[in-house]
Amino acid sequence: GENVEQHPSTLSVQEGDSAVIKCTYSDSASNYFPWYKQELGKRPQLIIDIRSNVGEKKDQRIAVTLNKTAKHFSLHITETQPEDSAVYFCAASNGNQFYFGTGTSLTVIP
Amino acid sequence: DAGVTQSPTHLIKTRGQQVTLRCSPISGHKSVSWYQQVLGQGPQFIFQYYEKEERGRGNFPDRFSARQFPNYSSELNVNALLLGDSALYLCASSLQGGLYEQYFGPGTRLTVT
Repeated sequence: GENVEQHPSTLSVQEGDSAVIKCTYSDSASNYFPWYKQELGKRPQLIIDIRSNVGEKKDQRIAVTLNKTAKHFSLHITETQPEDSAVYFCAASNGNQFYFGTGTSLTVIP
Repeated sequence: DAGVTQSPTHLIKTRGQQVTLRCSPISGHKSVSWYQQVLGQGPQFIFQYYEKEERGRGNFPDRFSARQFPNYSSELNVNALLLGDSALYLCASSLQGGLYEQYFGPGTRLTVT
């Protein structure tokens, strides 16, 4: 089955700096890669996603890149704000199954 | 427009008992997926249903089963509960499953004593 690895597990940045979270996957059949933000005690919320026919996608301060050859994808958050503090999960799907990474706890220091 | 709803919110069961969790998807969504999230970990995929058919299954024992009804709502059943089944159970709905965006419900917190 699919194995999704996520790094780092914790990340602290100063407000205004950039944050980068990286994930790797093992199943070459995976072709959909969403990212979720989960605040304490709340449900995961989709923040951005990318499909295998696209190399990069951007939405305001958030961007995701995908390298299918190397089987890795990354989340980039620019101009971080305190409200970006949360746990971020990457995921990979082959259309029938979804596999999540272990999460990155991001802290943005004011 | 209502989001994904789940019931009950919290549940306490004893080892060996059986439990049924319920999920109603966003109106118009035809796919429901179930996940187990243990504190401090990422959601673990259990099932995906689309148009009342099982589309995908994660690495969970046969004690876990699910079904989807004609109105696209879904139930997750867990038999012979173990202490290790204590977790937050999340339901997510999507338009057609597969490569479409998933939206999560608030979850059911299951505690097994």
